[in-house]
Amino acid sequence: EAAVTQSPRNKVTVTGGNVTLSCRQTNSHNYMYWYRQDTGHGLRLIHYSYGAGNLQIGDVPDGYKATRTTQEDFFLLLELASPSQTSLYFCASSDEAGDYAEQFFGPGTRLTVL
Amino acid sequence: SQLAEENLWALSVHEGESVTVNCSYKTSITALQWYRQKSGEGPAQLILIRSNEREKRNGRLRATLDTSSQSSSLSITATRCEDTAVYFCAPAYQGGRALIFGTGTTVSVSP
Repeated sequence: EAAVTQSPRNKVTVTGGNVTLSCRQTNSHNYMYWYRQDTGHGLRLIHYSYGAGNLQIGDVPDGYKATRTTQEDFFLLLELASPSQTSLYFCASSDEAGDYAEQFFGPGTRLTVL
Repeated sequence: SQLAEENLWALSVHEGESVTVNCSYKTSITALQWYRQKSGEGPAQLILIRSNEREKRNGRLRATLDTSSQSSSLSITATRCEDTAVYFCAPAYQGGRALIFGTGTTVSVSP
């Protein structure tokens, strides 16, 4: 079974602060994803990657950067955090691209921007 | 408007009863996945149903797909308290980049 871990699990920062969310997967999956989850919106794709050094823009990318340093590690960066980025963030991985591939999710990071 | 949408925000049933979650989507799809998210956890896949399939089963779970009405359903029989969760459909659109998740239906199963 795929293992996806996220850190930190909870984070509080202030407006304008700099935040990095980390994700690691240990099943050698090619694809990794960052989502945010908000009430009434479900899961929305921020960025995704299909390998080290690759980055693809998702549906809600504004205010977010991401970097895939290795096959295992995918980071989400908020360089000037705003209260609108208060959310529950999930990382996921899959072996193949979307259509038929099961996505394995991490436990989530709850971010609060004051 | 949402590209994928579960039709109800919440459903409540008692243990042993059956429950059905419905989902509607836009345009053509290649497949549709159903995910479950328990409190404090990330979503986990339950069933994948391809566009050329009409029904798929996994234990107490049954998913249907009607491409003519662009809808899908997930039924759970003999529900248990541990089935309490948010259920999402996630259609994969032809030419799309990734899955699109619906807003989710909260299913509550009480003793």
